[in-house]
Amino acid sequence: EIVLTQSPATLSLSPGERATLSCRASQTVTTFLAWYQQKPGQSPRLLIYDASNRATGIPARFSGSGSGTDFTLTISSLEPEDFALYYCQQRSNWPRTFGQGTKVEIK
Amino acid sequence: EVQLLESGGGLVQPGGSLRLSCAASGFTFNLYAMAWVRQAPGKGLEWVSGISGSGDATFYADSVKGRFTISKDNSINTLYLQMNSLRAGDTAVYYCAKDRIAASVPYFFDYWGQGTLVTVSS
Repeated sequence: EIVLTQSPATLSLSPGERATLSCRASQTVTTFLAWYQQKPGQSPRLLIYDASNRATGIPARFSGSGSGTDFTLTISSLEPEDFALYYCQQRSNWPRTFGQGTKVEIK
Repeated sequence: EVQLLESGGGLVQPGGSLRLSCAASGFTFNLYAMAWVRQAPGKGLEWVSGISGSGDATFYADSVKGRFTISKDNSINTLYLQMNSLRAGDTAVYYCAKDRIAASVPYFFDYWGQGTLVTVSS
């Protein structure tokens, strides 16, 4: 199965700062990668699909990039509601797999 | 409005069985692939199983293959997960999730239920 490794495990930033999250795949997933946000006690929310496409209703401050094995989720200017857990997921192979998550916390 | 409502979770002994249900509304259920994703307490997301819109293709994580069975009844817009030979490691919140597009197999998920907790313990 494809292993997705996210880094860093925790990102400590202040509101207004730029967040850069990484997801690395153990083998190529071309651009078949998504990013989700999860807040405590809530279900995950799809942010980005196919590496760089924002899902419906997602603010423009969220952007995704990458292809092959290396991907990045960027939050251009952190809002208070963006402090949460973020997961990547691939749809290139079976079984589908998730990364272990990156927590974006308030510094 | 899309809604996904899971039920059927609870406490079960190791080796026991449980069937989860997910009642769907607000979209054409038979056109969309669906999936079950679980989250152990304090841990990350784990993709468990997926099924095509028609129900004729199913997919499983290695950790549950041979023990869990996914199915869907398109006549009543309901997704199921039959879980047998349960282990302590299966303890988690189980989410059902709808695929983003009307595709034949599960890709990415744009709607999720609120989750149902399964606890495997003696």
